[in-house]
Amino acid sequence: EAGVVQSPRYKIIEKKQPVAFWCNPISGHNTLYWYRQNLGQGPELLIRYENEEAVDDSQLPKDRFSAERLKGVDSTLKIQPAELGDSAVYLCASSFYGELFFGEGSRLTVL
Amino acid sequence: AQTVTQSQPEMSVQEAETVTLSCTYDTSESNYYLFWYKQPPSRQMILVIRQEAYKQQNATENRFSVNFQKAAKSFSLKISDSQLGDTAMYFCASSGGGADGLTFGKGTHLIIQP
Repeated sequence: EAGVVQSPRYKIIEKKQPVAFWCNPISGHNTLYWYRQNLGQGPELLIRYENEEAVDDSQLPKDRFSAERLKGVDSTLKIQPAELGDSAVYLCASSFYGELFFGEGSRLTVL
Repeated sequence: AQTVTQSQPEMSVQEAETVTLSCTYDTSESNYYLFWYKQPPSRQMILVIRQEAYKQQNATENRFSVNFQKAAKSFSLKISDSQLGDTAMYFCASSGGGADGLTFGKGTHLIIQP
């Protein structure tokens, strides 16, 4: 069974540029999460989806971050415009009975 | 709200030794879950072990076991017969159950020396 798939694995952009990350969760997992992991820190939740509905986006910086999960499967996280402080690893996870399964993450470097 | 604290930024032990990673937490939930996740360098995070707060018995998974002290809000991970492949970041996390998601600590970098 395929795990959580994320792309791209690495992205380097200049500040003020837009960037998007894509996530394909494990088949059948209705809950999808986006986390941000800063260097040397634990992951922090950005947004949680139940099917196509964002049920917790309280930690998502809505002035520059947006996310969508069309048809309740794949999800995209976008940053526009990116700032230097957005450099981090963006993790996607899906869950089954409370256990989270993580993708390998997308490492963003903003120059 | 939940908080998770890991007070050991880094630990180093020799191969085959036993090591214990510490974690304390705080939660307002009456029922909750605790987890240890392993994150090898540049690889995905994987679940090591989980504990349901209503269960008094400590969880074990092969060489990994926990010491869950509910009154003290402590949840430590013991790794027995440590192996080189155990080298990784280890994150303690808590959840209020269901699909709420996890609150993570800052992690402990464990290094197993040959």
